Amino acid sequence: EAQVTQNPRYLITVTGKKLTVTCSQNMNHEYMSWYRQDPGLGLRQIYYSMNVEVTDKGDVPEGYKVSRKEKRNFPLILESPSPNQTSLYFCASSYLTGDNEQFFGPGTRLTVL
Amino acid sequence: AQRVTQPEKLLSVFKGAPVELKCNYSYSGSPELFWYVQYSRQRLQLLLRHISRESIKGFTADLNKGETSFHLKKPFAQEEDSAMYYCALLSYNTDKLIFGTGTRLQVFP
Repeated sequence: EAQVTQNPRYLITVTGKKLTVTCSQNMNHEYMSWYRQDPGLGLRQIYYSMNVEVTDKGDVPEGYKVSRKEKRNFPLILESPSPNQTSLYFCASSYLTGDNEQFFGPGTRLTVL
Repeated sequence: AQRVTQPEKLLSVFKGAPVELKCNYSYSGSPELFWYVQYSRQRLQLLLRHISRESIKGFTADLNKGETSFHLKKPFAQEEDSAMYYCALLSYNTDKLIFGTGTRLQVFP
């Protein structure tokens, strides 16, 4: 089944403890991105990648890192999480570029205490 | 600045009533606009995009460049239309997708 998977789905952590949220897609998509969803703010793009080894900042990249070593994987790294990064995170992928249909993962709910 | 505005956080209608979810955008150039929908306990998914000019699940959206709007419309709402709707704009020069804050549609029986 063609899909985007994220792990973990739920995570509670403490301030400063490094964490990684994985994202994987099996559709051979070039474009991948990360969003955070917050009440009243909608979806905001954190980082995106147009292909392997190509990543760019979105609207809210501060406090996050990403890497794209393989086409299928696009992990989101929080080196030193803070409470303001408590949010619902979505990974998405699409064929070639952002103007094609984005396929979203199920979301990761992160709580930073 | 490139921006998408959805002025209504919540829109409540009765089944069979017409629905219009508003979306206004700010973009210098020809915009590429989308509507995404998130049903309860489901993933966010594409509903429609303006270049395809389709009607999906009875919804249509027309790009009005003069009013910089891309409102989503349906003549007769159904209960299964209850969901969160997001309008999105693609910035061609950066390939970034910019989402609005979303409108929750509630359709009562």
